[in-house]
Amino acid sequence: DTGVSQDPRHKITKRGQNVTFRCDPISEHNRLYWYRQTLGQGPEFLTYFQNEAQLEKSRLLSDRFSAERPKGSFSTLEIQRTEQGDSAMYLCASRRTSGGGELFFGEGSRLTVL
Amino acid sequence: AQKVTQAQTEISVVEKEDVTLDCVYETRDTTYYLFWYKQPPSGELVFLIRRNSFDEQNEISGRYSWNFQKSTSSFNFTITASQVVDSAVYFCALSEFTGGGNKLTFGTGTQLKVEL
Repeated sequence: DTGVSQDPRHKITKRGQNVTFRCDPISEHNRLYWYRQTLGQGPEFLTYFQNEAQLEKSRLLSDRFSAERPKGSFSTLEIQRTEQGDSAMYLCASRRTSGGGELFFGEGSRLTVL
Repeated sequence: AQKVTQAQTEISVVEKEDVTLDCVYETRDTTYYLFWYKQPPSGELVFLIRRNSFDEQNEISGRYSWNFQKSTSSFNFTITASQVVDSAVYFCALSEFTGGGNKLTFGTGTQLKVEL
């Protein structure tokens, strides 16, 4: 059983550049979640999808952030015009709609904005 | 609004000691899920346990045990005979039972260091 896969694992960029992260969930998991984690903090919810539909976005997700899941499989998270405050670990998780509620997380994509 | 508090920022123990990680939560929901996750240095959050709010039975899995007390809104985690491999950050989390997308609200985590 392949776990949640995220790419790239690390990204260093200059302020003002755009970055995109990709997440491949566990196959047959129809729910996909994005979280952000900063140093010394717990993960914070950003957004989630049920299949290809984006059902909820956190207020943390500013207009510079956009997430897609076009075919209900993999998802991308794009950050436009990056700022130093965007530096964080971006975590992706997935689960089935049915079942106990636990999320299965990937290893994360660490973003450093210089 | 949901909230999870892990007051212990960092705990250091010597191998083979028992250690308890505290978790206190707040929710207006009458039914909910509680979770514990482990985050080793590699970064991946590893699921450890899920507990339904209507099931207050304590659970033991090997060296791990969990004490759920609805009356005090606590869901504490005990590691018996700790080992160096237990060193990690541990997160307690809460989600709605139905609706809300089952998104998790996490605490700030407890860094556990187990030394020889």
